[in-house]
Amino acid sequence: KNEVEQSPQNLTAQEGEFITINCSYSVGISALHWLQQHPGGGIVSLFMLSSGKKKHGRLIATINIQEKHSSLHITASHPRDSAVYICAASNRDDKIIFGKGTRLHILP
Amino acid sequence: DTAVSQTPKYLVTQMGNDKSIKCEQNLGHDTMYWYKQDSKKFLKIMFSYNNKELIINETVPNRFSPKSPDKAHLNLHINSLELGDSAVYFCASSQTGGASNYGYTFGSGTRLTVV
Repeated sequence: KNEVEQSPQNLTAQEGEFITINCSYSVGISALHWLQQHPGGGIVSLFMLSSGKKKHGRLIATINIQEKHSSLHITASHPRDSAVYICAASNRDDKIIFGKGTRLHILP
Repeated sequence: DTAVSQTPKYLVTQMGNDKSIKCEQNLGHDTMYWYKQDSKKFLKIMFSYNNKELIINETVPNRFSPKSPDKAHLNLHINSLELGDSAVYFCASSQTGGASNYGYTFGSGTRLTVV
């Protein structure tokens, strides 16, 4: 069992739908990261959070430290949001463990 | 203007060769990383350097040797390339302990194919 588990693995939704991607981790962390990998392969860091909630445009990331769980939400989803979303947990020593990613496909 | 730049973008080489991938960041970050993304798209950390000092060295064959001439550069040298080394290698940087909302800045990746 991977120390960082994401669900779902694949998600197809219609444009405009509210999207939720979940991440559970079993290790101690200093920060939880959400990354986006575009179909072209480039990786963009979306959020780094250690508590609470962060918002950037239509993206919202939340974390519950007690439950060792984080969610990434996308409001008013758009086909350009189609990408692989990767959750990653880093500790104080800067070691990072990645989830296997969630492949999101938004249909027009 | 690219924040983290890797070269080359693509590298095709024969088994047994020695090759290097270069990475440079102009963000003033003090920590740089190398990650490997395998054919199943699973990312794993290989190395991290903080101010030119090796911090993380995961279980990577010693054919892989990172070199950091200064804190803006972290190059990856691979000796005696094997078929299993074929992957996409990503360089990244971060300002450890920084207050930024965005933890890492990634390079665009180097697709290495060993034939």
